Amino acid sequence: GQQVMQIPQYQHVQEGEDFTTYCNSSTTLSNIQWYKQRPGGHPVFLIQLVKSGEVKKQKRLTFQFGEAKKNSSLHITATQTTDVGTYFCAGDTGTASKLTFGTGTRLQVTL
Amino acid sequence: GAGVSQSPRYKVAKRGQDVALRCDPISGHVSLFWYQQALGQGPEFLTYFQNEAQLDKSGLPSDRFFAERPEGSVSTLKIQRTQQEDSAVYLCASSERAAMWDTQYFGPGTRLTVL
Repeated sequence: GQQVMQIPQYQHVQEGEDFTTYCNSSTTLSNIQWYKQRPGGHPVFLIQLVKSGEVKKQKRLTFQFGEAKKNSSLHITATQTTDVGTYFCAGDTGTASKLTFGTGTRLQVTL
Repeated sequence: GAGVSQSPRYKVAKRGQDVALRCDPISGHVSLFWYQQALGQGPEFLTYFQNEAQLDKSGLPSDRFFAERPEGSVSTLKIQRTQQEDSAVYLCASSERAAMWDTQYFGPGTRLTVL
């Protein structure tokens, strides 16, 4: 079945440093979504990418969808302590009626 | 408006007991999803409803798991004869439209611990 892997599993940065998480799917995706889950919280939708090569920005966050629509990345510029949490990508192939969530990247930010 | 709510927030069950977990989606949302999230893992799809119709239940791990949404709003996930491996957070999500790619709004989850 479809698998979605994320690297790294965990990253610890100092406030102000940049952070990137990468998402790779075993199959071509029709779209990809990104969610953030704070410790003890539930996933919160961040963004959706649909087009090959698409790049979207939300303040300090930059999301990219690969040309082959099998990978994606989330880059955070100048991290803040409020960025702490686990970031999940989630994709669907368009044929299966479900989102497959990635393994997640846990971000820890310290002062 | 109110978001997705789930109850109970925490449930402790003895092995072999039956449990029922409730989800109140955002009013008017057509789609409803159940996920299981083990500690340190991403949410794993269990089942999907479009209104009252259960269109996909391929993620339910065994026939001990049963979900319903009889009137197309509130949904209940029932687990019979709970086992220790059922311990996890059960997340419910709803989306406005009948499309898997639509934004999903998650509830706070029910943390189930089976002793």
